[in-house]
Amino acid sequence: DQQVKQNSPSLSVQEGRISILNCDYTNSMFDYFLWYKKYPAEGPTFLISISSIKDKNEDGRFTVFLNKSAKHLSLHIVPSQPGDSAVYFCAAMPQAGSGTYKYIFGTGTRLKVLA
Amino acid sequence: NAGVTQTPKFRVLKTGQSMTLLCAQDMNHEYMYWYRQDPGMGLRLIHYSVGEGTTAKGEVPDGYNVSRLKKQNFLLGLESAAPSQTSVYFCASSFRGLFYNQPQHFGDGTRLSIL
Repeated sequence: DQQVKQNSPSLSVQEGRISILNCDYTNSMFDYFLWYKKYPAEGPTFLISISSIKDKNEDGRFTVFLNKSAKHLSLHIVPSQPGDSAVYFCAAMPQAGSGTYKYIFGTGTRLKVLA
Repeated sequence: NAGVTQTPKFRVLKTGQSMTLLCAQDMNHEYMYWYRQDPGMGLRLIHYSVGEGTTAKGEVPDGYNVSRLKKQNFLLGLESAAPSQTSVYFCASSFRGLFYNQPQHFGDGTRLSIL
């Protein structure tokens, strides 16, 4: 039962264009979402997050959008750069007080930015 | 600033052998986690700890044991390794009590092969 889904295993984008990575979730009790970026042979590194009380959070070239009614979030990278080529994981955190201190991770999307 | 350090980085075991993976963090984090990552799957939580001397089961705890004798260290043990435990193992840590805006910090992983 995959509660957090990244349906696109890979994505290729031209340098300078927008990259859009998508993530769907099934549990409405998630109320905090994060995106992690992972390079080969390294651990995931935190990229950007969003609380369920917001619908958008922006940090430089990275913007995360949350559509609670659709249970969908997306990461936009504008403009895309070759150094953005990595695997991107979305993760969801259950509500505080739920007794669950863990993230639920998606399966990842491999982004390749073409020079 | 070392962050989260995992040792060893690579290991090959024979079925039935035992070993311990070490995770050390220097950020004074209360929470620590062990994940495994397998092809086509997201990061799955094995065990976690909410403080020194405490441990709890995650999603896939069978075949693993953990210990958190010191705040900065979280050990993952395989008592009798099985081929199904071939995976990349990631350790992570995060601050205590700050449920939001608490990204986990990951180590670079241990690639473990069981023959």
